[in-house]
Amino acid sequence: GIQVEQSPPDLILQEGANSTLRCNFSDSVNNLQWFHQNPWGQLINLFYIPSGTKQNGRLSATTVATERYSLLYISSSQTTDSGVYFCALTTSGTYKYIFGTGTRLKVLA
Amino acid sequence: DTGVSQDPRHKITKRGQNVTFRCDPISEHNRLYWYRQTLGQGPEFLTYFQNEAQLEKSRLLSDRFSAERPKGSFSTLEIQRTEQGDSAMYLCASSFGWDRGYNEQFFGPGTRLTVL
Repeated sequence: GIQVEQSPPDLILQEGANSTLRCNFSDSVNNLQWFHQNPWGQLINLFYIPSGTKQNGRLSATTVATERYSLLYISSSQTTDSGVYFCALTTSGTYKYIFGTGTRLKVLA
Repeated sequence: DTGVSQDPRHKITKRGQNVTFRCDPISEHNRLYWYRQTLGQGPEFLTYFQNEAQLEKSRLLSDRFSAERPKGSFSTLEIQRTEQGDSAMYLCASSFGWDRGYNEQFFGPGTRLTVL
């Protein structure tokens, strides 16, 4: 089956710093999302981005499907950005999302 | 517009007992999904429904697990004869169907199960 790897696995930042999270996948994808999982376990939708680039405030994301990767950019990080970031995707013929390994982010005040 | 809701939020049970969880999807969504997440891992797919039809099941869904969506609205996930290895967060998600041409899933808050 498809492999989904995220890097880095852990990241510690000072408040105000910028960061780039990466998601590599081993097969072509039909759907791709980025989620933020808060400390209470809620998965919050950040982007639905099977291809192209999107921006939402301090966050932006780019997916280059032909090269099988997606990037999530966080600018001017805040302590509330702490948590785990997952990319998740589906491949042809199925609607189930396969989640990546996650990046655990901690933003220090 | 209310999001996906799940009940209960927490469940503590003794090994061998049966438990049932409920999920109410976003009202316009006709696809509903169940996932399981253990500590330190990403969610893993269990099963999904298109309206009332269960269309895909993971091999993770042993014969002790059963899911239903009888009227194409809310869904229940039942675990029979619970084991300590069933302790996890059970997540429900919903999305629009094939007619929208995309599959953006929205997740509920989860039910955290602890089996003693």
